[in-house]
Amino acid sequence: ETGVTQTPRHLVMGMTNKKSLKCEQHLGHNAMYWYKQSAKKPLELMFVYSLEERVENNSVPSRFSPECPNSSHLFLHLHTLQPEDSALYLCASSQDERGGMEQFFGPGTRLTVL
Amino acid sequence: AQSVTQLGSHVSVSEGALVLLRCNYSSSVPPYLFWYVQYPNQGLQLLLKYTTGATLVKGINGFEAEFKKSETSFHLTKPSAHMSDAAEYFCAVWGFTGGGNKLTFGTGTQLKVEL
Repeated sequence: ETGVTQTPRHLVMGMTNKKSLKCEQHLGHNAMYWYKQSAKKPLELMFVYSLEERVENNSVPSRFSPECPNSSHLFLHLHTLQPEDSALYLCASSQDERGGMEQFFGPGTRLTVL
Repeated sequence: AQSVTQLGSHVSVSEGALVLLRCNYSSSVPPYLFWYVQYPNQGLQLLLKYTTGATLVKGINGFEAEFKKSETSFHLTKPSAHMSDAAEYFCAVWGFTGGGNKLTFGTGTQLKVEL
């Protein structure tokens, strides 16, 4: 595997389910990100991790819970989601969180909440 | 706070014609500017970026962009469109907003290339 991988690619869940999204980067980067991409809206940064510590949380509802066990892996735990949470969830990584660093994106997980 | 405006959510060009995708930004500090492309069912891929130095930046696949501070613009161009350029393009600016530094994206421009 190369670059940034995400699993699953598609996920359908009910509002009472608990599921997790997984992201893995094979680039040796120190920073990882979760973004939400909804139709006709700009990408929304959800969480930033640098060296496995959360450095940014942009007022994301608590039903989204991130976890970064090491610098290569990032999870997004989901529980009691709402239909408006349906979106493409993108993971990205960069060498570090300094400005100007290119972020490398995974293909995303298409989430549908019924 | 910073922001990005992409004029035109959909742009259509003929194959071989000039591609021009517009991006204007606001930032309280000298910006770092990016263009990303997203093909269907894929993540975003960096086309080019401006950090410092030369204001005309060349990227992959024949794209380039010019940073114009006086116009707060960073428009993306390609002299001759190819069918494979059909995708969604996102302009982004790095800087301080709210609780910290981050990339702020525009809403994207869908490029259609017609025969």
